[in-house]
Amino acid sequence: EAQVTQNPRYLITVTGKKLTVTCSQNMNHEYMSWYRQDPGLGLRQIYYSMNVEVTDKGDVPEGYKVSRKEKRNFPLILESPSPNQTSLYFCASSRQVLNTEAFFGQGTRLTVV
Amino acid sequence: QQQVKQSPQSLIVQKGGISIINCAYENTAFDYFPWYQQFPGKGPALLIAIRPDVSEKKEGRFTISFNKSAKQFSLHIMDSQPGDSATYFCAASYGQNFVFGPGTRLSVLP
Repeated sequence: EAQVTQNPRYLITVTGKKLTVTCSQNMNHEYMSWYRQDPGLGLRQIYYSMNVEVTDKGDVPEGYKVSRKEKRNFPLILESPSPNQTSLYFCASSRQVLNTEAFFGQGTRLTVV
Repeated sequence: QQQVKQSPQSLIVQKGGISIINCAYENTAFDYFPWYQQFPGKGPALLIAIRPDVSEKKEGRFTISFNKSAKQFSLHIMDSQPGDSATYFCAASYGQNFVFGPGTRLSVLP
């Protein structure tokens, strides 16, 4: 089954404790991205990757890091989480960046206290 | 320039009625306009998409109307069903730029 898998689904952590949210896709897609979803703001892009070892900032990259060492994996790293990073996070992948369907993971609900 | 505006924020429709959600954009470079549907606890999923060379696209009960000169596009859901109750996001993209609207929460009453 074609899918994008995120882990964990739910996470509660404390301010400053480094964490990683994993994302993996099995569709051999080149393009992957991370979004955060906040009430009234829709989905805002954090980082994206057009291929292995190629990453770039989206609209809200501050406080986040990503890496793309393998085509299928695109982890999101919060080196020092803060309460304003409490949000619902989605990973997405698509065959290519231009005008193609994006497939989303199930989401990770992160709470930073 | 990169923003996509969406209205209404929430919408309540009776079963069998027509649901209409509107979006507007500023950047004329956008060349792909998808609509995503999101159920609670799930990630968004592509519902229907349109490119600016056509004014309308229909897939079953779902229709996108596109007005290039007004820089507006809308989603029409005919014969709305309770199973259509979800949050709907319009989006616009060109190149690696992909922008979502803030979303519309649709509730279809039985």
